[in-house]
Amino acid sequence: GAGVSQTPSNKVTEKGKYVELRCDPISGHTALYWYRQSLGQGPEFLIYFQGTGAADDSGLPNDRFFAVRPEGSVSTLKIQRTERGDSAVYLCASSGTGGYNEQFFGPGTRLTVL
Amino acid sequence: ILNVEQSPQSLHVQEGDSTNFTCSFPSSNFYALHWYRWETAKSPEALFVMTLNGDEKKKGRISATLNTKEGYSYLYIKGSQPEDSATYLCAFRSGTYKYIFGTGTRLKVLA
Repeated sequence: GAGVSQTPSNKVTEKGKYVELRCDPISGHTALYWYRQSLGQGPEFLIYFQGTGAADDSGLPNDRFFAVRPEGSVSTLKIQRTERGDSAVYLCASSGTGGYNEQFFGPGTRLTVL
Repeated sequence: ILNVEQSPQSLHVQEGDSTNFTCSFPSSNFYALHWYRWETAKSPEALFVMTLNGDEKKKGRISATLNTKEGYSYLYIKGSQPEDSATYLCAFRSGTYKYIFGTGTRLKVLA
């Protein structure tokens, strides 16, 4: 079966531009997570969706970051007015709910802001 | 602030050597501890979910132990092979959905 996919795999943009990163979770997974991994760090929690709603967005660093999941499946992470410090690998993961369900990760989007 | 630490940050071992690394996490509000393997240009892959104090899990040459009272987990690799080269991440869960990751241990196995 299909795993979690993310597009694009690489994105290079200029400072100040707007970017959208897409995540397609495993079909039927209601939980969806976004993480950011900077060089030398572990994945850092950004936001968690349960269905269509953002159950916890406490990890979003500021109001330039926003994420949606309008139909409870595909999610888009949106970054406005990108800054060089936003350069990182953005990971998406999905899981079923309840118990000790594993997260399944996508391959990530490497964002470079010049 | 919940802190999850992994050591060492990186290591090189020879093919055939056995190795181990550590994940330290808060000893309170424990729900689960996850181990992942992340190869370059691939998705992080789940290795183990550890839930009970004293848990030991094994998958082939890789095994893990858990001590929730003192807040640590060990990952062991027996007879390392070049294909074991990857970053090994642990993630602490204090509730049902939030994962706090360590910075990872980067393993390089030399042929």
